[in-house]
Amino acid sequence: SQKIEQNSEALNIQEGKTATLTCNYTNYSPAYLQWYRQDPGRGPVFLLLIRENEKEKRKERLKVTFDTTLKQSLFHITASQPADSATYLCALFNTDKLIFGTGTRLQVFP
Amino acid sequence: EAQVTQNPRYLITVTGKKLTVTCSQNMNHEYMSWYRQDPGLGLRQIYYSMNVEVTDKGDVPEGYKVSRKEKRNFPLILESPSPNQTSLYFCASSSWGTGAGQEYFGPGTRLTVT
Repeated sequence: SQKIEQNSEALNIQEGKTATLTCNYTNYSPAYLQWYRQDPGRGPVFLLLIRENEKEKRKERLKVTFDTTLKQSLFHITASQPADSATYLCALFNTDKLIFGTGTRLQVFP
Repeated sequence: EAQVTQNPRYLITVTGKKLTVTCSQNMNHEYMSWYRQDPGLGLRQIYYSMNVEVTDKGDVPEGYKVSRKEKRNFPLILESPSPNQTSLYFCASSSWGTGAGQEYFGPGTRLTVT
């Protein structure tokens, strides 16, 4: 069956460290993968998109990698700040819609 | 300002009482969709629309209806709500034609069915 897996356990890190979140998928061949940020009670907000022929994408302190052989994407936040605390969702574009993972909650403490 | 709006933001209703959640976008996007979000299950797509008068089922369409008579509006209709439809609902839009594919989400509607 098709699955998108993100670590359901919260990730707690200290301010200034690099946070790394994982998104694994099975039985999909996505043309691209996206990452979103979601704050409690709010709609997800788009962060980054990476295409299947791209290995890495960067935007300010954010970096995404996409390994279609491992069927995995890694999302990095460098120099993390308490304001980065949120839930991060990965999403695959499959056929004609986005399929979302359940998200990983990141908590950055001072 | 580019945005997706939903109304109402909060709704408490009783089983069987028909309701409509409105959704509107001002970005001239072709693609619109509805999701529900439940703890541990993540975002699941209910219905989507590729353009005016074109709608299709998502992963969890049972108990819901939609219509797309205008490009900017995509209302979600619950003809006979049941308690298992208590959830947080999001409307989203995107323009697939650009190739970007990012979805713009509304602020959410928290629905409670008693």
